Amino acid sequence: ETGVTQSPTHLIKTRGQQVTLRCSSQSGHNTVSWYQQALGQGPQFIFQYYREEENGRGNFPPRFSGLQFPNYSSELNVNALELDDSALYLCASSLRRHNEQFFGPGTRLTVL
Amino acid sequence: TQLLEQSPQFLSIQEGENLTVYCNSSSVFSSLQWYRQEPGEGPVLLVTVVTGGEVKKLKRLTFQFGDARKDSSLHITAAQPGDTGLYLCAGVGNTDKLIFGTGTRLQVFP
Repeated sequence: ETGVTQSPTHLIKTRGQQVTLRCSSQSGHNTVSWYQQALGQGPQFIFQYYREEENGRGNFPPRFSGLQFPNYSSELNVNALELDDSALYLCASSLRRHNEQFFGPGTRLTVL
Repeated sequence: TQLLEQSPQFLSIQEGENLTVYCNSSSVFSSLQWYRQEPGEGPVLLVTVVTGGEVKKLKRLTFQFGDARKDSSLHITAAQPGDTGLYLCAGVGNTDKLIFGTGTRLQVFP
């Protein structure tokens, strides 16, 4: 059984650029959630995808968008990057909404 | 806005000591989860508590959900260096989103 994987591990971008982060969910899981974790803080919910449709969104602007594919993998896209977007982006997969969530190792995004 | 406040924010103790981490809110949660996160990794689920007043034990870790389902605690007995990490509580809120607490960073010295 393969766990949740994320790519890339680290990423450095400049303000105004766009970024795409990728997540492969654990085998058999149909729900993917994305979180932003600033240094020293708890993760903040960005949005969740269930069976390829957005199923809940946190307090993040529309420049944060996502996709889920038929194989349940997912992408997080962020447009017009700002310095405050620098954070660890975590992906978590689960069988159902808010059931036990399995987290990937995260993507560390640095915006200069 | 539902918030989960954890205390203390930082905890530095010697091996063998006991400790308690608190997770408090003014809101009711249908369930509450505890995670541990180590540097460079994602959070790992330790336990889920669902019923008010519920107590769950995981080896040296004891988790309790408050009677009113607004708060929870994590007690570690005889802490070990391997317990070092960021402890996070997370609750399913009224908007059906998972809300994470502010986190407690634990350092256990040998």
